[in-house]
Amino acid sequence: AQSVTQLGSHVSVSEGALVLLRCNYSSSVPPYLFWYVQYPNQGLQLLLKYTSAATLVKGINGFEAEFKKSETSFHLTKPSAHMSDAAEYFCAVSNTGTASKLTFGTGTRLQVTL
Amino acid sequence: DTAVSQTPKYLVTQMGNDKSIKCEQNLGHDTMYWYKQDSKKFLKIMFSYNNKELIINETVPNRFSPKSPDKAHLNLHINSLELGDSAVYFCATLGAGSTEAFFGQGTRLTVV
Repeated sequence: AQSVTQLGSHVSVSEGALVLLRCNYSSSVPPYLFWYVQYPNQGLQLLLKYTSAATLVKGINGFEAEFKKSETSFHLTKPSAHMSDAAEYFCAVSNTGTASKLTFGTGTRLQVTL
Repeated sequence: DTAVSQTPKYLVTQMGNDKSIKCEQNLGHDTMYWYKQDSKKFLKIMFSYNNKELIINETVPNRFSPKSPDKAHLNLHINSLELGDSAVYFCATLGAGSTEAFFGQGTRLTVV
């Protein structure tokens, strides 16, 4: 079975500061890993994904994540937070094939302060 | 043109009622899903269909019955609604050979 753990249900940073959202995964096979963002009353938007190509993945809105197999981690970072980054962020892992599904972490709410 | 659209966006109903949520996609994807997001924002898969065939049924009460009349539609019918069914329900799609799922905007169901 696959699972992800997001450390910190709530992260607060100042505008312009580094954003670091943590995600650790558990998978018996090479995983596909994703970060999704959810703005209030919105659906989920894919930020970036890792699918066994480059371990450093760049996504939209200046976010990136690094797949570290030795640490079973896929942490999300952004060098400089913007007020518009305030949202809920979900890490997810998926399997492949016809029965493919996403298994989500519990989410991290990012607050950006002035 | 919205890729994955759900109707209605909001649904308030009384306990015991039966209601349906509809999902339509224009992406030509083979696989469609229903996910449930509870009040603590936790997202969990409920069902998946591939080419109108049920593939995943994640221990969901049988009051929930998905129906896929064609590849572009996946509806969710809920019988005898309970307070605990209050949640946001998301439809999602996945193309064959793809790894990126596309989500609808969600349907916020409130049972009173």
